Amino acid sequence: QVQLQESGPGLVKPSETLSLTCSVSGGSISGNYWSWIRQPAGKGLEWIGRIYINERGKYNASLKSRVTMSVDTSKNQFSLRLKSVTAADTAVYYCARAPYIAGPTNYYMDVWGSGTTVTVSS
Amino acid sequence: SYELTQPPSVSVSPGQTASITCSGDKLDDKYACWYQQKPGQSPVLLIFQDDQRPSGIPERFSGSNSENTATLTISGTQAMDEADYYCQAWDITTGGLFGGGTKLTVL
Repeated sequence: QVQLQESGPGLVKPSETLSLTCSVSGGSISGNYWSWIRQPAGKGLEWIGRIYINERGKYNASLKSRVTMSVDTSKNQFSLRLKSVTAADTAVYYCARAPYIAGPTNYYMDVWGSGTTVTVSS
Repeated sequence: SYELTQPPSVSVSPGQTASITCSGDKLDDKYACWYQQKPGQSPVLLIFQDDQRPSGIPERFSGSNSENTATLTISGTQAMDEADYYCQAWDITTGGLFGGGTKLTVL
């Protein structure tokens, strides 16, 4: 049974870079899209982007200029970097798996991490 | 950019049927899925590919997608179904997107 676990700093200063890692256990990082989603306190879910091994990431247009995602197959991990953060980036960040076999437009996230809270504050 | 619209709230009596809608332009040209999120928990996939249930999801949850509206139906609603529900789809231009979420109250 695949499990995901987010890790990274819980506090980031304004204008700095938010870096999170999602560790995949119980399964291979191959054969799936890997995604990041965030949720500000009391608000809805916001899709950040997805990535597949050896493909360029697809990102939310509103965040595209600041987001980079990557996959490390040797560590069975994938990562999110969000630069130039502001207080508006304060949220719970989730990583999630989407089956690649379903196809690029049949996109759904069937396994989620427990989420990690990131606060942007000086 | 493409958008998905959900009602902010829906109320239902225990044992009755709840319907939560998700609207988008020609939504039935895309695949819709649904998530349930309870307070302090991660979202859980309820429906994928418009009407498919993952293993372990109760049969009382069903989905459909026609023209501009996808619908999540909960038959015989239970108190434990009180939660936030989100629809989600993929748009070739926009990418992944979620509806704004619907708070289901069972009273």
